[in-house]
Amino acid sequence: DTEVTQTPKHLVMGMTNKKSLKCEQHMGHRAMYWYKQKAKKPPELMFVYSYEKLSINESVPSRFSPECPNSSLLNLHLHALQPEDSALYLCASSQVGGNPSEQYFGPGTRLTVT
Amino acid sequence: GNSVTQMEGPVTLSEEAFLTINCTYTATGYPSLFWYVQYPGEGLQLLLKATKADDKGSNKGFEATYRKETTSFHLEKGSVQVSDSAVYFCALCNTNAGKSTFGDGTTLTVKP
Repeated sequence: DTEVTQTPKHLVMGMTNKKSLKCEQHMGHRAMYWYKQKAKKPPELMFVYSYEKLSINESVPSRFSPECPNSSLLNLHLHALQPEDSALYLCASSQVGGNPSEQYFGPGTRLTVT
Repeated sequence: GNSVTQMEGPVTLSEEAFLTINCTYTATGYPSLFWYVQYPGEGLQLLLKATKADDKGSNKGFEATYRKETTSFHLEKGSVQVSDSAVYFCALCNTNAGKSTFGDGTTLTVKP
């Protein structure tokens, strides 16, 4: 199984809502990532978890809160978002150890903040 | 710091034409280099990779060679198809489970 799954596929939320994005992989990867991608731009790294511990936070606003409950799951909790947070949110995973390895990306969650 | 510069798009080709998308990089140490492809409405997929100088990555008719002397990793395909229409990202990473640096992406459209 070389798949990263993400739910939901689409999400529309108001600025006062709380919602969560979910990501799952069963490849035994111990690094997991959240990216934000705006239209016609490359993905921007938000967070990296390595062995279920947060290892990189790219100065992301606190209205985004990541969680890694186990080695297969990664969540992104959203609260009090702004319209400019509307984007495609991508989850990825990779092996840890050896040469820097490729990342496996999920299909993304298309988020619209109204 | 690390950076990746990709050939600006969009690129429009006829079916069966030769494709080159240029990619040059600046990095500390010995990064691994990647080409990812993103089809409309989807996430990124690894197209090919190379982990050391002079390595050639290849997949689905695409090739790229890791050239340390010119700090380049140009993507080539001898005969493109309509189904190759997508956005192509060059990327590097020099620490495991670390931050990857992506180029701005090149949009390829192949016309029948």
